[in-house]
Amino acid sequence: AQSVTQPDIHITVSEGASLELRCNYSYGATPYLFWYVQSPGQGLQLLLKYFSGDTLVQGIKGFEAEFKRSQSSFNLRKPSVHWSDAAEYFCAVGARGGGSQGNLIFGKGTKLSVKP
Amino acid sequence: DAGVTQSPTHLIKTRGQQVTLRCSPKSGHDTVSWYQQALGQGPQFIFQYYEEEERQRGNFPDRFSGHQFPNYSSELNVNALLLGDSALYLCASSLISVLEGNEQYFGPGTRLTVT
Repeated sequence: AQSVTQPDIHITVSEGASLELRCNYSYGATPYLFWYVQSPGQGLQLLLKYFSGDTLVQGIKGFEAEFKRSQSSFNLRKPSVHWSDAAEYFCAVGARGGGSQGNLIFGKGTKLSVKP
Repeated sequence: DAGVTQSPTHLIKTRGQQVTLRCSPKSGHDTVSWYQQALGQGPQFIFQYYEEEERQRGNFPDRFSGHQFPNYSSELNVNALLLGDSALYLCASSLISVLEGNEQYFGPGTRLTVT
């Protein structure tokens, strides 16, 4: 069955420190991969996406993620965290092409807290 | 350019009642998907509408139904509400004709509380 695992429920980092949020997926083929961010009481904002090509993708707000096929992972990174990055982060996978496009499968999320 | 909009923002209903949630997609988008996000969980796919028809459905009972209008806006209806239906309901829009690189844009959600 298709699934997404985010092993860390809650992470706390100091402002200015680097960040890595983990995401592992189970899928029959190479899926589309996404990272979304959700601030309290808000909808989801797309940070970045991987469809094909370069396995290191750049996103908004200084985030990047690396697709590693051998490890079925798509970890999110940021070199220096800002207090405004405190939010919940969701990794998601989607099927390629055709009628399966609607079905995004999300992980349970990782809540990021930032210490001053 | 307006993004995805949803109404109402919050809603409180009683068990057994029925509720209708509304969504207007991002300008130029023709496909609407609905997700349920329970507290502390990731969003779960309910169904997707395109050309006024349900194209794909997740693992939700028939109490959950939807509709898409000619202007691409959509409604989510839930009948016979249960306490477990309390959640944030998210609408996402996309452009179905883009076969590669498709991505979904999410609205702010409707918070439904069932008492």
